[in-house]
Amino acid sequence: QKEVEQNSGPLSVPEGAIASLNCTYSDRGSQSFFWYRQYSGKSPELIMFIYSNGDKEDGRFTAQLNKASQYVSLLIRDSQPSDSATYLCAVFRDTGRRALTFGSGTRLQVQP
Amino acid sequence: DAGITQSPRHKVTETGTPVTLRCHQTENHRYMYWYRQDPGHGLRLIHYSYGVKDTDKGEVSDGYSVSRSKTEDFLLTLESATSSQTSVYFCAISEPGGDEKLFFGSGTQLSVL
Repeated sequence: QKEVEQNSGPLSVPEGAIASLNCTYSDRGSQSFFWYRQYSGKSPELIMFIYSNGDKEDGRFTAQLNKASQYVSLLIRDSQPSDSATYLCAVFRDTGRRALTFGSGTRLQVQP
Repeated sequence: DAGITQSPRHKVTETGTPVTLRCHQTENHRYMYWYRQDPGHGLRLIHYSYGVKDTDKGEVSDGYSVSRSKTEDFLLTLESATSSQTSVYFCAISEPGGDEKLFFGSGTQLSVL
């Protein structure tokens, strides 16, 4: 079982719709959770982070965390073609190795 | 790119040759990381550093070594490149403090023929 799992997609949504991206993790002691956006041929860019159960909103983005279910999601409201990218979920647990563990990403396509 | 420069941006090399990738940061961050990215595997940690001369292995460290003689530079060396090391390599930096927000360089596309 992978430590961080994401559906590879592609997830296709029409412009203006809500895109929902999901991620599950296996380490129940995970402490911090991150979403990165990666355009084709570019480096990952941090767009959201969340530490506590519940929702965190930033503009069109909402991160949701449910530690009991070991589930984190990213909602993108009013999706735009410019949101088309791969979205990487990452988790952190301080085991002495201070590094993030990444999922393999979900490719999002927003259709005009 | 948060003050991170990777070099070279692209490299083609032959199997069995040594290769060194460089990561340079201008922000005096303590922690630096090397990840590789392959289709279907996402980003996997190769090595990281928590200070000058302080490094540790990640999940895919076999065949790689690192050095950090100055705060600003973190070098990744492939001792004897193999075709399985064809990948995109990303350097990242972070600040300690309870979470680990990583900021990535532009990446190095390495092809081993």
